[in-house]
Amino acid sequence: EAGVAQSPRYKIIEKRQSVAFWCNPISGHATLYWYQQILGQGPKLLIQFQNNGVVDDSQLPKDRFSAERLKGVDSTLKIQPEKLEDSAVYLCASNKDSAQSYEQYFGPGTRLTVT
Amino acid sequence: AQKITQTQPGMFVQEKEAVTLDCTYDTSDQSYGLFWYKQPSSGEMIFLIYQGSYDEQNATEGRYSLNFQKARKSANLVISASQLGDSAMYFCAMREGRNTGFQKLVFGTGTRLLVSP
Repeated sequence: EAGVAQSPRYKIIEKRQSVAFWCNPISGHATLYWYQQILGQGPKLLIQFQNNGVVDDSQLPKDRFSAERLKGVDSTLKIQPEKLEDSAVYLCASNKDSAQSYEQYFGPGTRLTVT
Repeated sequence: AQKITQTQPGMFVQEKEAVTLDCTYDTSDQSYGLFWYKQPSSGEMIFLIYQGSYDEQNATEGRYSLNFQKARKSANLVISASQLGDSAMYFCAMREGRNTGFQKLVFGTGTRLLVSP
């Protein structure tokens, strides 16, 4: 079974440039998550999708972040960073969304450096 | 708000010895779950073990066991017979939400484990 795929693995951009990150979850996984992991910290949830609907985006800085999962499969996270603090690793995760499955499977992440 | 605390920024252990990584949590929910993830230098988060709040027995997965003390709100990870490949960051996390379809994870700050020969 293929794991969660993410691309690109690394990106360097200047402030106010736009960038898009792609995630393809494990086949059949209904729930998809985007996490932000700042250096030295644990991951923090940005947004959670259930199929193609948003479940939780309360911690997504909507002035410069957006995400979509139009067909309920792969997802795109778009960032137009205004702050150097947006430099982080962006992790995508998915899970089956069943009563028997709590485990979230993570992708390798995309490391964003804002200059 | 739910919170996870990992007080050990770094731990050292010799190969083949056991090590305990500490995790305490704070929640007002009766139903919750606790996870441990390993993050090697490659960056990917690897699931290790899960403990549900209603599970009567401590979870075990191979060399990993979770020492769950509900009254103390602690969920320490025990790694037996450490191996060089265990060197990594270890994160404790809590599942928020009662519905299995809405499993937001809240992570601690992590503990870096270094296993020496």
